[in-house]
Amino acid sequence: AQSVTQLDSQVPVFEEAPVELRCNYSSSVSVYLFWYVQYPNQGLQLLLKYLSGSTLVESINGFEAEFNKSQTSFHLRKPSVHISDTAEYFCAVSEVGGYNKLIFGAGTRLAVHP
Amino acid sequence: NAGVTQTPKFQVLKTGQSMTLQCAQDMNHNSMYWYRQDPGMGLRLIYYSASEGTTDKGEVPNGYNVSRLNKREFSLRLESAAPSQTSVYFCASMPVLLSLGSGANVLTFGAGSRLTVL
Repeated sequence: AQSVTQLDSQVPVFEEAPVELRCNYSSSVSVYLFWYVQYPNQGLQLLLKYLSGSTLVESINGFEAEFNKSQTSFHLRKPSVHISDTAEYFCAVSEVGGYNKLIFGAGTRLAVHP
Repeated sequence: NAGVTQTPKFQVLKTGQSMTLQCAQDMNHNSMYWYRQDPGMGLRLIYYSASEGTTDKGEVPNGYNVSRLNKREFSLRLESAAPSQTSVYFCASMPVLLSLGSGANVLTFGAGSRLTVL
């Protein structure tokens, strides 16, 4: 069975600073990887995903994540954060051919301060 | 575009009472899911339905039952509510695509149902 570990429960950062949110996964088979974002009092929405191909994937709002198979990681990065990026971020994994069952990490709360 | 609709949005129950959370999607998705969200624990999968007519247990199925009524609807039932089931519940759906296109393996979530069991 697959599992996800998000190494930081909270990450405080100042506006315009870079940020990295860490995610490691465990699986005995090939995986798909995702980052979802949850803004206050809302449901989750997809930020970016890795299914195949290039290991570096990007979102439309400046986030990127790199799939590292040898380190079983999928860390999320942004070179310069904005106040509006304040949210909770969830890493998720599903196994290829595994009935589309997504397993989520515990989440990382990103707090951007002015 | 309604997407995934959950009802009710809020509910307070007493220990031992029963209730059903309703979920419907209008995107013709094959797979549907119920998650619960608790502080510090992220989202945990309760049950899922890979396709109409099938249901399977997720990570935390105890105390819950589900029904995939048709392709659109997937309900979650608490037969005898307990305080440990106080949580925010999210329904989600996903298409099953033959190729890894832009919509492949992407969950669409409902707005959530906040349940308190006293």
